[in-house]
Amino acid sequence: KAGVTQTPRYLIKTRGQQVTLSCSPISGHRSVSWYQQTPGQGLQFLFEYFSETQRNKGNFPGRFSGRQFSNSRSEMNVSTLELGDSALYLCASSLSSAPYNEQFFGPGTRLTVL
Amino acid sequence: DAKTTQPTSMDCAEGRAANLPCNHSTISGNEYVYWYRQIHSQGPQYIIHGLKNNETNEMASLIITEDRKSSTLILPHATLRDTAVYYCIVRVANAGGTSYGKLTFGQGTILTVHP
Repeated sequence: KAGVTQTPRYLIKTRGQQVTLSCSPISGHRSVSWYQQTPGQGLQFLFEYFSETQRNKGNFPGRFSGRQFSNSRSEMNVSTLELGDSALYLCASSLSSAPYNEQFFGPGTRLTVL
Repeated sequence: DAKTTQPTSMDCAEGRAANLPCNHSTISGNEYVYWYRQIHSQGPQYIIHGLKNNETNEMASLIITEDRKSSTLILPHATLRDTAVYYCIVRVANAGGTSYGKLTFGQGTILTVHP
């Protein structure tokens, strides 16, 4: 079974631009969660989607948004990029949101904001 | 979610068992213990999880104390490829509200396996 895939793997943007990142979950998985990883803050939860609905959101500004499609694929969008948005963005998929279902992570998208 | 405490770093000789401790003294009865690891700049890799009983899979064993206030991840025969940051995470069992899909990562333990 194929793992979680994320595209693109690397991205360079300039301040003020917006960016869209994509995540394809493992086949059959309906829950997709997004995380941001930076050297200073570590791994932080952004949001979780299940059946096209955002059901949980971390403590991030409204510039960070996402959506999930009917095939469970998910995208996240960051508008008006800031230098501090430079990070590794990770998505993870799970069969459901139930805490006994493990999450499997993708390789991440490395975003650099100049 | 309950807070976890892990040593900042540990060393292990190749071929030996690596025993990584985690303290979660405020854990509730409905919270799972999860272990993930992350090799530099890659996505975290799921290792194992448990609620009350000890668990074993092809990667590792998870030993949870009877009072559930601490646990140990055991890699039975460590290899150089096991060098990574290991995260112990406590996750609420009853999904809902602020617990949906959320894993709270701490700083983890940097495990270095040397020849």
